[in-house]
Amino acid sequence: QVQLVQSGAEVKKPGASVKVSCKTSGYTFTNYAIHWVRQAPGQRLEWMGWINAGNGYTKYSANFQGRATITRDTSASTVYMELSSLTSEDTAVYYCAKDQTINGNRWFDPWGQGTLVTVSS
Amino acid sequence: EVVMTQSPATLSVSPGERVTLSCRASQSISTNLAWYQQRPGQAPRLLIYGASTRATGIPARFSGSGSGTEFTLTISSLQSEDCAVYYCQQYNNWPRTFGQGTKVEIK
Repeated sequence: QVQLVQSGAEVKKPGASVKVSCKTSGYTFTNYAIHWVRQAPGQRLEWMGWINAGNGYTKYSANFQGRATITRDTSASTVYMELSSLTSEDTAVYYCAKDQTINGNRWFDPWGQGTLVTVSS
Repeated sequence: EVVMTQSPATLSVSPGERVTLSCRASQSISTNLAWYQQRPGQAPRLLIYGASTRATGIPARFSGSGSGTEFTLTISSLQSEDCAVYYCQQYNNWPRTFGQGTKVEIK
């Protein structure tokens, strides 16, 4: 079955960067897009961006443009999300989620288990 | 940006009762709407896509309807395992956006 398994929890200091991985299995990696979504405590889900796992094309929310970088390693069927210049407001659970197409224009299913990123001095 | 607004914020319902959750989009999104269920401590799970199509393995008590700007998720007979937060999401426009969620509790 399709599975997305994310890396473990991280604790970072303000100003640092974090890189979260999302290892996929159970489908042809390069045929689908992957999205990243975050959920800050008590907040709604917030879409960050997506990657075409076939050609590496990316698109980001304006809220994360210039600070988030999504990449993929096709040999490892893994997608990465790096977020730089962290502040306490970036404390959140970060999710990856698989799109139903390569073009990122459908619903998200399934989701990874989530990675808690805590930013604290 | 398409703003998604859900109501109510919280619902307290007895087991076996019918539950209706609403989601409104700030502009027309056709039927490009999904519903997700998020149980405490878990990742969101897809329930409905295309506004009204149940995802694989989702019980028939869950149904979705609507188009344009007004959408509804209905649970025909609430079960204890349905206690969760429910989110709607539009995938018609960039950026993708979610509602603020409706929390369903057992009375």
